[in-house]
Amino acid sequence: AQSVTQLGSHVSVSEGALVLLRCNYSSSVPPYLFWYVQYPNQGLQLLLKYTSAATLVKGINGFEAEFKKSETSFHLTKPSAHMSDAAEYFCAVSDPSAVKAAGNKLTFGGGTRVLVKP
Amino acid sequence: EAGVAQSPRYKIIEKRQSVAFWCNPISGHATLYWYQQILGQGPKLLIQFQNNGVVDDSQLPKDRFSAERLKGVDSTLKIQPAKLEDSAVYLCASSLRDPGANVLTFGAGSRLTVL
Repeated sequence: AQSVTQLGSHVSVSEGALVLLRCNYSSSVPPYLFWYVQYPNQGLQLLLKYTSAATLVKGINGFEAEFKKSETSFHLTKPSAHMSDAAEYFCAVSDPSAVKAAGNKLTFGGGTRVLVKP
Repeated sequence: EAGVAQSPRYKIIEKRQSVAFWCNPISGHATLYWYQQILGQGPKLLIQFQNNGVVDDSQLPKDRFSAERLKGVDSTLKIQPAKLEDSAVYLCASSLRDPGANVLTFGAGSRLTVL
Protein backbone atom coordinates (compact mmCIF):
# COMPACT_ATOMS: atom_id res chain seq x y z
CA ALA A 1 0.00 0.00 0.00
CA GLN A 2 1.10 3.52 -0.67
CA SER A 3 0.99 6.44 1.72
CA VAL A 4 1.96 10.10 1.86
CA THR A 5 3.04 12.17 4.84
CA GLN A 6 3.07 15.95 4.74
CA LEU A 7 5.04 17.48 7.57
CA GLY A 8 3.33 20.51 9.03
CA SER A 9 -0.38 21.06 8.68
CA HIS A 10 0.14 24.84 8.67
CA VAL A 11 2.98 26.96 7.31
CA SER A 12 3.28 30.72 7.64
CA VAL A 13 5.63 32.66 5.35
CA SER A 14 6.26 36.31 4.67
CA GLU A 15 5.57 37.72 1.23
CA GLY A 16 8.75 37.38 -0.83
CA ALA A 17 10.18 34.60 1.34
CA LEU A 18 10.89 31.01 0.33
CA VAL A 19 8.00 28.57 0.43
CA LEU A 20 8.98 25.00 1.37
CA LEU A 21 6.36 22.29 1.78
CA ARG A 22 7.51 18.82 2.74
CA CYS A 23 6.20 15.53 1.38
CA ASN A 24 7.46 12.03 2.08
CA TYR A 25 5.99 8.94 0.50
CA SER A 26 5.95 5.23 1.12
CA SER A 27 5.76 2.95 -1.89
CA SER A 28 7.06 -0.50 -2.81
CA VAL A 29 7.62 0.65 -6.40
CA PRO A 30 8.87 3.92 -7.92
CA PRO A 31 5.74 6.02 -7.83
CA TYR A 32 4.16 8.82 -9.74
CA LEU A 33 4.00 11.93 -7.55
CA PHE A 34 1.81 15.02 -7.70
CA TRP A 35 1.25 18.32 -5.99
CA TYR A 36 -2.22 19.87 -6.03
CA VAL A 37 -3.41 23.23 -4.70
CA GLN A 38 -6.87 23.94 -3.32
CA TYR A 39 -8.20 27.47 -2.92
CA PRO A 40 -11.17 28.08 -0.59
CA ASN A 41 -14.40 26.55 -1.85
CA GLN A 42 -12.74 25.23 -4.98
CA GLY A 43 -11.63 21.88 -6.27
CA LEU A 44 -8.03 20.72 -6.52
CA GLN A 45 -5.79 22.09 -9.25
CA LEU A 46 -2.64 20.37 -10.44
CA LEU A 47 0.61 22.25 -9.76
CA LEU A 48 3.05 19.66 -11.10
CA LYS A 49 3.72 15.95 -11.50
CA TYR A 50 6.69 13.57 -11.47
CA THR A 51 6.54 10.57 -13.81
CA SER A 52 10.08 9.13 -13.69
CA ALA A 53 11.67 11.57 -16.13
CA ALA A 54 13.60 14.57 -14.80
CA THR A 55 13.86 14.58 -11.03
CA LEU A 56 13.42 18.35 -10.83
CA VAL A 57 9.93 19.21 -11.97
CA LYS A 58 8.70 22.71 -12.73
CA GLY A 59 5.04 23.56 -12.38
CA ILE A 60 2.68 26.45 -12.64
CA ASN A 61 2.86 29.71 -10.67
CA GLY A 62 6.63 29.42 -10.11
CA PHE A 63 6.51 26.21 -8.07
CA GLU A 64 8.92 23.33 -8.47
CA ALA A 65 9.57 20.02 -6.73
CA GLU A 66 12.48 17.61 -6.59
CA PHE A 67 12.14 13.85 -6.45
CA LYS A 68 14.74 12.29 -4.14
CA LYS A 69 14.52 8.52 -4.17
CA SER A 70 17.08 8.05 -1.40
CA GLU A 71 15.00 10.24 0.91
CA THR A 72 11.60 9.12 -0.43
CA SER A 73 10.74 12.78 -0.66
CA PHE A 74 9.06 15.16 -3.10
CA HIS A 75 9.25 18.59 -1.45
CA LEU A 76 7.58 21.60 -3.07
CA THR A 77 9.32 24.97 -3.23
CA LYS A 78 8.79 28.48 -4.52
CA PRO A 79 11.58 31.06 -4.22
CA SER A 80 9.37 34.04 -3.45
CA ALA A 81 5.90 33.80 -1.89
CA HIS A 82 3.04 35.90 -3.18
CA MET A 83 -0.18 36.72 -1.39
CA SER A 84 -2.05 34.68 -3.99
CA ASP A 85 -0.18 31.54 -2.85
CA ALA A 86 -2.31 31.37 0.30
CA ALA A 87 -4.12 28.06 -0.09
CA GLU A 88 -3.98 24.41 0.93
CA TYR A 89 -1.48 22.15 -0.78
CA PHE A 90 -1.74 18.40 -1.18
CA CYS A 91 0.90 15.87 -2.13
CA ALA A 92 -0.36 12.69 -3.79
CA VAL A 93 1.08 9.39 -5.03
CA SER A 94 -0.03 6.71 -7.48
CA ASP A 95 1.31 3.33 -8.54
CA PRO A 96 2.52 3.30 -12.18
CA SER A 97 2.04 -0.47 -12.45
CA ALA A 98 -1.62 -0.08 -11.57
CA VAL A 99 -2.27 2.92 -13.78
CA LYS A 100 -2.39 0.97 -17.02
CA ALA A 101 -4.96 -1.44 -15.74
CA ALA A 102 -7.00 0.71 -13.45
CA GLY A 103 -6.36 4.37 -14.06
CA ASN A 104 -4.48 6.95 -12.07
CA LYS A 105 -5.85 6.40 -8.57
CA LEU A 106 -4.31 8.94 -6.19
CA THR A 107 -3.54 8.61 -2.49
CA PHE A 108 -3.34 12.02 -0.83
CA GLY A 109 -1.47 13.38 2.14
CA GLY A 110 -3.24 15.33 4.85
CA GLY A 111 -2.47 18.72 3.32
CA THR A 112 -0.52 21.83 4.35
CA ARG A 113 -2.28 25.16 4.68
CA VAL A 114 -0.09 28.11 3.66
CA LEU A 115 -0.59 31.55 5.15
CA VAL A 116 1.26 34.45 3.51
CA LYS A 117 1.95 37.49 5.68
CA PRO A 118 2.36 40.92 4.07
CA GLU B 1 -12.71 22.66 -22.45
CA ALA B 2 -15.49 22.64 -19.92
CA GLY B 3 -14.50 21.40 -16.47
CA VAL B 4 -16.01 18.79 -14.18
CA ALA B 5 -19.46 19.91 -13.11
CA GLN B 6 -20.93 19.01 -9.73
CA SER B 7 -24.22 19.77 -8.03
CA PRO B 8 -25.45 20.78 -5.60
CA ARG B 9 -22.59 22.86 -4.25
CA TYR B 10 -24.01 22.87 -0.74
CA LYS B 11 -26.47 20.62 1.06
CA ILE B 12 -27.63 20.58 4.67
CA ILE B 13 -29.63 17.61 5.92
CA GLU B 14 -30.48 15.96 9.21
CA LYS B 15 -29.05 12.61 10.18
CA ARG B 16 -30.90 9.60 8.80
CA GLN B 17 -32.04 11.60 5.75
CA SER B 18 -30.83 10.82 2.27
CA VAL B 19 -28.87 12.93 -0.22
CA ALA B 20 -27.63 12.58 -3.78
CA PHE B 21 -24.79 14.29 -5.58
CA TRP B 22 -24.36 14.53 -9.32
CA CYS B 23 -21.23 14.76 -11.43
CA ASN B 24 -20.70 15.43 -15.13
CA PRO B 25 -17.08 14.71 -16.13
CA ILE B 26 -15.04 16.25 -18.91
CA SER B 27 -16.18 14.99 -22.29
CA GLY B 28 -14.16 11.97 -23.39
CA HIS B 29 -12.81 11.12 -19.94
CA ALA B 30 -13.44 7.45 -19.40
CA THR B 31 -12.36 7.31 -15.76
CA LEU B 32 -14.40 8.94 -13.00
CA TYR B 33 -13.59 9.14 -9.30
CA TRP B 34 -15.50 10.17 -6.18
CA TYR B 35 -13.42 11.38 -3.25
CA GLN B 36 -14.52 12.31 0.28
CA GLN B 37 -12.68 15.21 1.91
CA ILE B 38 -13.36 15.64 5.61
CA LEU B 39 -12.43 19.03 7.05
CA GLY B 40 -8.72 19.21 7.80
CA GLN B 41 -7.87 16.02 5.90
CA GLY B 42 -6.76 15.03 2.43
CA PRO B 43 -9.24 13.56 -0.05
CA LYS B 44 -9.97 9.85 0.30
CA LEU B 45 -11.07 7.75 -2.67
CA LEU B 46 -14.57 6.32 -2.34
CA ILE B 47 -15.11 4.78 -5.76
CA GLN B 48 -13.54 4.68 -9.21
CA PHE B 49 -15.34 3.96 -12.48
CA GLN B 50 -13.88 3.01 -15.85
CA ASN B 51 -16.64 3.89 -18.34
CA ASN B 52 -19.69 2.54 -16.47
CA GLY B 53 -17.89 -0.29 -14.67
CA VAL B 54 -16.61 -0.12 -11.09
CA VAL B 55 -12.81 -0.47 -10.82
CA ASP B 56 -12.40 0.08 -7.08
CA ASP B 57 -15.03 0.58 -4.39
CA SER B 58 -13.06 -0.91 -1.51
CA GLN B 59 -13.35 2.28 0.58
CA LEU B 60 -17.04 2.87 -0.07
CA PRO B 61 -19.27 2.26 3.00
CA LYS B 62 -21.68 0.11 1.08
CA ASP B 63 -24.25 -0.11 3.85
CA ARG B 64 -25.14 3.53 3.27
CA PHE B 65 -23.30 4.78 0.18
CA SER B 66 -24.06 3.87 -3.41
CA ALA B 67 -22.87 5.20 -6.74
CA GLU B 68 -23.63 4.62 -10.36
CA ARG B 69 -22.41 5.87 -13.68
CA LEU B 70 -25.02 5.64 -16.35
CA LYS B 71 -23.91 5.18 -19.97
CA GLY B 72 -20.32 5.88 -18.95
CA VAL B 73 -20.87 9.62 -18.59
CA ASP B 74 -22.66 11.24 -15.63
CA SER B 75 -22.44 9.78 -12.17
CA THR B 76 -24.52 9.96 -9.01
CA LEU B 77 -23.35 9.35 -5.45
CA LYS B 78 -26.06 8.64 -2.88
CA ILE B 79 -25.98 8.47 0.91
CA GLN B 80 -28.88 6.83 2.73
CA PRO B 81 -29.21 7.17 5.67
CA ALA B 82 -26.72 9.92 6.42
CA LYS B 83 -24.68 10.02 9.62
CA LEU B 84 -23.02 12.97 11.33
CA GLU B 85 -19.59 11.69 10.27
CA ASP B 86 -20.60 11.96 6.60
CA SER B 87 -20.23 15.74 6.82
CA ALA B 88 -17.56 16.44 4.21
CA VAL B 89 -16.89 17.77 0.74
CA TYR B 90 -17.54 15.21 -1.98
CA LEU B 91 -15.20 15.73 -4.89
CA CYS B 92 -15.70 14.27 -8.33
CA ALA B 93 -12.74 13.93 -10.68
CA SER B 94 -12.20 12.55 -14.16
CA SER B 95 -9.27 11.52 -16.32
CA LEU B 96 -8.44 9.93 -19.64
CA ARG B 97 -8.21 6.16 -19.78
CA ASP B 98 -4.88 6.04 -21.62
CA PRO B 99 -1.94 4.57 -19.68
CA GLY B 100 0.38 7.08 -18.12
CA ALA B 101 0.15 9.52 -15.28
CA ASN B 102 -2.95 11.17 -16.58
CA VAL B 103 -3.96 14.18 -14.61
CA LEU B 104 -7.13 14.04 -12.58
CA THR B 105 -9.30 17.10 -13.12
CA PHE B 106 -11.45 17.90 -10.11
CA GLY B 107 -14.81 19.58 -9.81
CA ALA B 108 -15.48 22.27 -7.20
CA GLY B 109 -17.09 19.74 -4.87
CA SER B 110 -20.38 19.30 -3.05
CA ARG B 111 -20.25 20.30 0.61
CA LEU B 112 -22.51 18.20 2.85
CA THR B 113 -23.43 19.17 6.38
CA VAL B 114 -25.30 16.57 8.43
CA LEU B 115 -27.03 17.93 11.56
